[in-house]
Amino acid sequence: DVQMTQSPYNLAASPGESVSINCKASKSISKYLAWYQQKPGKANKLLIYDGSTLQSGIPSRFSGSGSGTDFTLTIRSLEPEDFGLYYCQQHNEYPYTFGAGTKLELK
Amino acid sequence: QVQLKETGPDLVQLTQTLSITCTVSGFSLTTYNVHWVRQPPGKGLEWMGAMWNGGGTDYNSAFKSRLSISRDTSKSQVFLKMNSLQTDDTAKYFCARHGATRVYDYWGQGVMVTVSS
Repeated sequence: DVQMTQSPYNLAASPGESVSINCKASKSISKYLAWYQQKPGKANKLLIYDGSTLQSGIPSRFSGSGSGTDFTLTIRSLEPEDFGLYYCQQHNEYPYTFGAGTKLELK
Repeated sequence: QVQLKETGPDLVQLTQTLSITCTVSGFSLTTYNVHWVRQPPGKGLEWMGAMWNGGGTDYNSAFKSRLSISRDTSKSQVFLKMNSLQTDDTAKYFCARHGATRVYDYWGQGVMVTVSS
């Protein structure tokens, strides 16, 4: 199985700041990396897929980059609603595997 | 609009069988795939298996032969059944829509299942 290593585990930031979350795959997954946001009481939300394709309806302050084994989610100008958990997921091969998550907290 | 909703028990006894139903609306099970993903408390997400739009299934080998996924297209429902439950099967169980982009564009809110001894 492809192991996904996500970092950092915790991240504290203030509204208006920019942050980056990293995800490293144990082998090449080409471009097939997705990012999800998870918040209590809400359905998980797809943000980015294929490494850098923004899901419809997601604000352009979210962006994804990378290919092969190293990927990054960047959120520019954080809004209050951006705080929560973020997960990466490889969608190159089965079983699909996820990173351990990054908790983005208000500083 | 697209919706998925999981229904199932809050509590299951050790070694018993878990049954969860995912009822979907806003799309057809013959057009989109539905996958199951679970999340133990405070932990990450784990892919369990897939119901493909053609009716086939695939499973994570981590669940060996404990897991079964089926569907009733007339009721827009996908079913998860897992037997021989252990305490580490305590988790929130999600169903999610999977399509041509090969990712999960819609998720249910999940159902939290506790395995009790």
